[in-house]
Amino acid sequence: EAGVAQSPRYKIIEKRQSVAFWCNPISGHATLYWYQQILGQGPKLLIQFQNNGVVDDSQLPKDRFSAERLKGVDSTLKIQPAKLEDSAVYLCASSLDSDREYEQYFGPGTRLTVT
Amino acid sequence: ELKVEQNPLFLSMQEGKNYTIYCNYSTTSDRLYWYRQDPGKSLESLFVLLSNGAVKQEGRLMASLDTKARLSTLHITAAVHDLSATYFCAVDWAVNDNFNKFYFGSGTKLNVKP
Repeated sequence: EAGVAQSPRYKIIEKRQSVAFWCNPISGHATLYWYQQILGQGPKLLIQFQNNGVVDDSQLPKDRFSAERLKGVDSTLKIQPAKLEDSAVYLCASSLDSDREYEQYFGPGTRLTVT
Repeated sequence: ELKVEQNPLFLSMQEGKNYTIYCNYSTTSDRLYWYRQDPGKSLESLFVLLSNGAVKQEGRLMASLDTKARLSTLHITAAVHDLSATYFCAVDWAVNDNFNKFYFGSGTKLNVKP
């Protein structure tokens, strides 16, 4: 079974520039998550989709971050404009979502450096 | 909001020793997960604990869950250098019938010295 795919793996941009990340979840997984992990910290949930609807975006800085999940499969996360404090690893995860299975499977992440 | 606290945050231990990492959480939940993260890598699932009293073991690691105490432990037996990594616990909280939310602890950075 293929895992969660993310691209790019690394990105370096200057502040005030824009950037987009892509995620392809495990086939059949209904729920997709975007996390931000700052160095030395645990992952922080930014947004959670169930199929193509948003179920939680309470910690997404909506003035600069946006995300979409078209057709309930792939997802993109965009930052516009980026700030220095956005430097982090952005992790995408997916889960099957059944009565027995909520476990999340994580992609390799995108390491963003904002200079 | 659910709080998840891990301790210790940093753990340096000698090979061959035993130790326990603790994960406390603030709201009732029946599901708890342990992940491992190596430097520069993503999170790898170690254990899924789905009920009170659940115990799972894999090699030198054993995880348990006490939902009444809102506590999970990750016990390391006879540590080896390969176990050096950061370990996260995550609690799965049912916000409502249709929506579960994950909360991660801050992680425990384990360094096993030869």
